[in-house]
Amino acid sequence: AQKITQTQPGMFVQEKEAVTLDCTYDTSDPSYGLFWYKQPSSGEMIFLIYQGSYDQQNATEGRYSLNFQKARKSANLVISASQLGDSAMYFCAMRELTFGNEKLTFGTGTRLTIIP
Amino acid sequence: DAGITQSPRHKVTETGTPVTLRCHQTENHRYMYWYRQDPGHGLRLIHYSYGVKDTDKGEVSDGYSVSRSKTEDFLLTLESATSSQTSVYFCAISVGGESTDTQYFGPGTRLTVL
Repeated sequence: AQKITQTQPGMFVQEKEAVTLDCTYDTSDPSYGLFWYKQPSSGEMIFLIYQGSYDQQNATEGRYSLNFQKARKSANLVISASQLGDSAMYFCAMRELTFGNEKLTFGTGTRLTIIP
Repeated sequence: DAGITQSPRHKVTETGTPVTLRCHQTENHRYMYWYRQDPGHGLRLIHYSYGVKDTDKGEVSDGYSVSRSKTEDFLLTLESATSSQTSVYFCAISVGGESTDTQYFGPGTRLTVL
């Protein structure tokens, strides 16, 4: 069964600093995808970044990068040079890529607050 | 913008009444999903659809039914709403290839059952 754990309920970070949001996962499937979503106070879910289990390099999208450590089953999100607009809830999610599995499993989220 | 709209955006209803939430997409994506979001649980899959009239259950499907008579519309129905179904409901579509498809979400519907 797929499971996602986010151990940081909340984080406070100074503006312009880098921040790492932790995510660990559990799966017995060798093929899976890992996702990060941002949910600002307005409520929408915004896709940030994707990492496949067979991808050789860590995914990057602008200021977002995913620190993928397969042996440790961790997929931490790194935000460089944080901005006030980065204040939001962040969710890690995983989908096992078994044929017919459409379930995207989410962690409970981390609330990030950027301090000016 | 993934071209997903949800209606209504907010609804207050009473226990025992039927409620239907609508999800509409403009880009003919095959897969559509309904999730609910509750504090401490993240998002949980209720039902999903892989084509017109093709649907399947997610992990929290009890008390919910769905229908998809057109590619662009996916309806979620609470036949007899209960207070435990007070939640924020998100619709999503799946975009991309089979191994790298990404789910994009609609704006959400906040449902309160009194």
